[in-house]
Amino acid sequence: EVQLVQSGAEVKKPGESLKISCQGSGYSFTSYWIAWVRQMPGKGLEYMGIIYPVDSDARYSPAFQGQVTISVDKSINTAYLQWSSLKASDTAMYYCARHRDYSDFTGYYASFDSWGQGTLLIVSS
Amino acid sequence: DIQMTQSPSSLSASVGDRVTLTCRASQDIGNFLAWYQQKPGKGPKLLIYAASTLHSGVPSRFSGSGSGTDFALTISSLQPEDVGTYYCQKYNSALQFTFGPGTRVDLK
Repeated sequence: EVQLVQSGAEVKKPGESLKISCQGSGYSFTSYWIAWVRQMPGKGLEYMGIIYPVDSDARYSPAFQGQVTISVDKSINTAYLQWSSLKASDTAMYYCARHRDYSDFTGYYASFDSWGQGTLLIVSS
Repeated sequence: DIQMTQSPSSLSASVGDRVTLTCRASQDIGNFLAWYQQKPGKGPKLLIYAASTLHSGVPSRFSGSGSGTDFALTISSLQPEDVGTYYCQKYNSALQFTFGPGTRVDLK
């Protein structure tokens, strides 16, 4: 069974740094990109960025470029999302998700087919 | 940038009703569209990808249709466990993704 298990909830102060994790199991971790998605309180889903575990190739949504860093340690099947200086506006639930895609003669198919349980981040003074 | 819109923003329906949610892209995206369900207090789950391909394990009462700019997710007979928010997502082979704002589905 494919599983993505995320690290636990965090309560931090503005200006602090943080790294949250997402560990994959039940599949070949290096064969799939891992994405990060933000959900602010009472709001919708926002795509943040994605990383390929084989070579740590990371791509960012323009809205999040420079605001966070996505990294991976393929030796322990774990992807990370980190902040160097948190703001109150970073308060949100953060999800990781596995990106599955393939192509055949009929076209290109892709989705975020498995999701972590979410990591709640509260940033408050 | 391609923008995604969804309508209605919320709806109330009775158990057994046929429910249709719509998603519109600001430009032609072919069939590069997925639908996700998020139940209250839970993480999202994939329902449909490539506009109309049902993800493994998803009940057959869910179906997707459309291509180009206009898409729909239909629940043929609404069940109590279908309460939640539904998001469409456009994607492409360049790993660019955008979610729609969501449609909240409640029971009447």
